Amino acid sequence: AQSVTQPDIHITVSEGASLELRCNYSYGATPYLFWYVQSPGQGLQLLLKYFSGDTLVQGIKGFEAEFKRSQSSFNLRKPSVHWSDAAEYFCAVAPGGDYKLSFGAGTTVTVRA
Amino acid sequence: DGGITQSPKYLFRKEGQNVTLSCEQNLNHDAMYWYRQDPGQGLRLIYYSQIVNDFQKGDIAEGYSVSREKKESFPLTVTSAQKNPTAFYLCASSDPGQGRVEQYFGPGTRLTVT
Repeated sequence: AQSVTQPDIHITVSEGASLELRCNYSYGATPYLFWYVQSPGQGLQLLLKYFSGDTLVQGIKGFEAEFKRSQSSFNLRKPSVHWSDAAEYFCAVAPGGDYKLSFGAGTTVTVRA
Repeated sequence: DGGITQSPKYLFRKEGQNVTLSCEQNLNHDAMYWYRQDPGQGLRLIYYSQIVNDFQKGDIAEGYSVSREKKESFPLTVTSAQKNPTAFYLCASSDPGQGRVEQYFGPGTRLTVT
């Protein structure tokens, strides 16, 4: 079955430290890939997307993600987190040729001072 | 400013009552979506619509209904047949006809049914 997996339910990171959130997918072909962020009680905001081309994608708020076809992964990274990065992060996938998104269960990020 | 609005932000209903959640977009997007969000489960697709007067069931359509009479509006009705209606509901839109698959989300409506 096609699926999107975010292995980490909750991550705690110190302010100023680096952050990496994992995302794995299982689809036959290379899908379209997205990362979204959600603050409590709010809608989702698109951080970045990958369709094709350069496998390292830059997004907003200083985030980047790397697509690795061999590992079916699309991990999100930030070199130095700020307290405002505390939120829930969702990886989403649209199988090639489809426009409906499938979402992972999300990873909650807590930033400690 | 272009965007998606959902109203109200909080909604309370008694069990057995139908309730309609509003979603309006001024992005001129063809496609619109409704998701349900429960803690630890990510987002699950309820219904989606590619064009006016057409919509399809998503993964969890039972107990819900929608209409798409105008391009900018996609209201969701939570019926009394929905067994566990208390959840956070998110509306989204996209412009797939222009190759833009990414979806843009509204602020959500939190529905509580007691």
